[in-house]
Amino acid sequence: AQTVTQSQPEMSVQEAETVTLSCTYDTSESNYYLFWYKQPPSRQMILVIRQEAYKQQNATENRFSVNFQKAAKSFSLKISDSQLGDTAMYFCAFMKQVTGNQFYFGTGTSLTVIP
Amino acid sequence: ETGVTQSPTHLIKTRGQQVTLRCSSQSGHNTVSWYQQALGQGPQFIFQYYREEENGRGNFPPRFSGLQFPNYSSELNVNALELDDSALYLCASRGMSGNEQFFGPGTRLTVL
Repeated sequence: AQTVTQSQPEMSVQEAETVTLSCTYDTSESNYYLFWYKQPPSRQMILVIRQEAYKQQNATENRFSVNFQKAAKSFSLKISDSQLGDTAMYFCAFMKQVTGNQFYFGTGTSLTVIP
Repeated sequence: ETGVTQSPTHLIKTRGQQVTLRCSSQSGHNTVSWYQQALGQGPQFIFQYYREEENGRGNFPPRFSGLQFPNYSSELNVNALELDDSALYLCASRGMSGNEQFFGPGTRLTVL
């Protein structure tokens, strides 16, 4: 079975500062995908960043980057130059590399960006 | 905007009733998944449909059922509603070539 753990229920960061959200996962699979999704108060889940497990290079999307440590089964999200619009719930998710498979989500981290 | 829509936005039902939630996927997305998100929790996988057939199911009882239609719309049906069914229900669609799921805004179901 796959499990995803987010150990930080709530975090806050000053506007323009950098914050790192933690995620660990447990799996016996060798090929899989990892994701960070953002869920603002409007509720719509939006993809922030995606990492393929076979890629050693950490994914980057503008101000968002990940630190993927496959051996440690760790997948943290770094948000640089935090903006007020980054305030949201952030979910880490895992998916096996099988077409049509389900996502496993963590319990989420509530991030507040303080002006 | 993800191109995935859900209706209704909010719904209030009483225990024992039945409910149908609807989702309209992106055109060309032939895989749709449904998730239940209880307050303060991450989404939990209910089931998935591919080309109008269920091809994966999470730990949910048979009173949770679904349908997928050729026009990229789908339904989640829940019978004999229980208080614990109160949650946000999300649908997510995915195309054949992608591993990314596109989520709808969800339906907030309250069971009294």
